[in-house]
Amino acid sequence: DQQVKQNSPSLSVQEGRISILNCDYTNSMFDYFLWYKKYPAEGPTFLISISSIKDKNEDGRFTVFLNKSAKHLSLHIVPSQPGDSAVYFCAASALTGANNLFFGTGTRLTVIP
Amino acid sequence: DGGITQSPKYLFRKEGQNVTLSCEQNLNHDAMYWYRQDPGQGLRLIYYSQIVNDFQKGDIAEGYSVSREKKESFPLTVTSAQKNPTAFYLCASSNMGTKGNQPQHFGDGTRLSIL
Repeated sequence: DQQVKQNSPSLSVQEGRISILNCDYTNSMFDYFLWYKKYPAEGPTFLISISSIKDKNEDGRFTVFLNKSAKHLSLHIVPSQPGDSAVYFCAASALTGANNLFFGTGTRLTVIP
Repeated sequence: DGGITQSPKYLFRKEGQNVTLSCEQNLNHDAMYWYRQDPGQGLRLIYYSQIVNDFQKGDIAEGYSVSREKKESFPLTVTSAQKNPTAFYLCASSNMGTKGNQPQHFGDGTRLSIL
């Protein structure tokens, strides 16, 4: 059973515009959420995280929003750049869960120059 | 540079053969993890270790074995019992924070194929 879901397998955005990637989760015990970026044949690179005590965390062009009541989080990239084109994975863990991550299936972002 | 090194990058296995994937980290992280990625899917946890000489099964441990004899090393053996071993294997490590979870950092993976 997939506890973390990314329902959009792909997203295309024009350079300079906002990219919004979405993620839903089902396990109410999750309290730490992360976004990773992955290029083909490479390992995922950590982008940004948020704990459940916050509803927003910002790092440069990347902002993650958390809506606990809806069990939903999103990653906003503003402005989008061609180098942002990659697969983005959402992941979640529970504080009591030995830091094990549960991953979504990924969204492929294409930023069009 | 600090990081996680996985080797080899590509590996081929014959039917009925065991193979071992290497993972080394120099980040001084306590915890290490092995994941498997299949096309169009997210990463699934195979094994993890929070401390030397101790490890636990993840969601898909059948057909795999690990050891953690040193803090910096966490090799994964794909045994002949693993019926569908073709996949991209990723190793990760993290601190075990006392004030909450910590991000995991990944190596560049090993792609295993069956001959």
